[in-house]
Amino acid sequence: QLQLQESGPGLVKASETLSLTCSVSGGSISSIHYYWGWVRQPPGKGLEWIGIIFYTGSTYYNPSLKNRITMSVDTSNSQFSLRLISVTASDTAVYYCARHESRGDLANNWIDAWGQGTLVTVSS
Amino acid sequence: SYELTQPPSVSVSPGQTARISCYGDKLGDKYASWYQQKPGQSPVVVIYQDARRPSGIPERFSGSNSENTATLTISGTQVMDEADYYCQTWDTSTSVFGGGTKLTVL
Repeated sequence: QLQLQESGPGLVKASETLSLTCSVSGGSISSIHYYWGWVRQPPGKGLEWIGIIFYTGSTYYNPSLKNRITMSVDTSNSQFSLRLISVTASDTAVYYCARHESRGDLANNWIDAWGQGTLVTVSS
Repeated sequence: SYELTQPPSVSVSPGQTARISCYGDKLGDKYASWYQQKPGQSPVVVIYQDARRPSGIPERFSGSNSENTATLTISGTQVMDEADYYCQTWDTSTSVFGGGTKLTVL
């Protein structure tokens, strides 16, 4: 049974860096069939796709966040991470890590597993 | 940037058919997925590749995608289906979600 678990600070000061890690268990992070990514949801609002990373390190980011985010993967520890710099109050959200199942090209994938989510609040 | 548009809310009586639309330019040329999210819970995929249902998802959930609109259909809607529903697709190596639709069953 695949499990995804987010970890990281629940409170970040404005202008600083948000860092989250997702630990993967019950499945291989090095599988060619999956990308690993992040989705966030501001309180009371909809889902926003942040980006994904393949086990080789290839990344695809949301253009609106591209200048501020970095994703990385640590296959030896079955973890992948998100860094978001220069945060503001608008970055306050529940951050989900998610596994994207892939069937060939990038356009043919969907999220088949989600972490429980972690609330990150940006304080002024 | 690519956008997906969903109605903010849909209401249906128990046992009736609910249809939730998702509009995007030439969406029919892309794959659409649908996610169900209940309060305080993580989303769950109910439809992927336009019309495929993951194991464990009831048969009353079905999907279609043609021209500019993807549709999630819930036949014989149950009270337990009350939730927020989000469509998702990919465009130029970027994924995008619709704004979400709150399904009320009453």
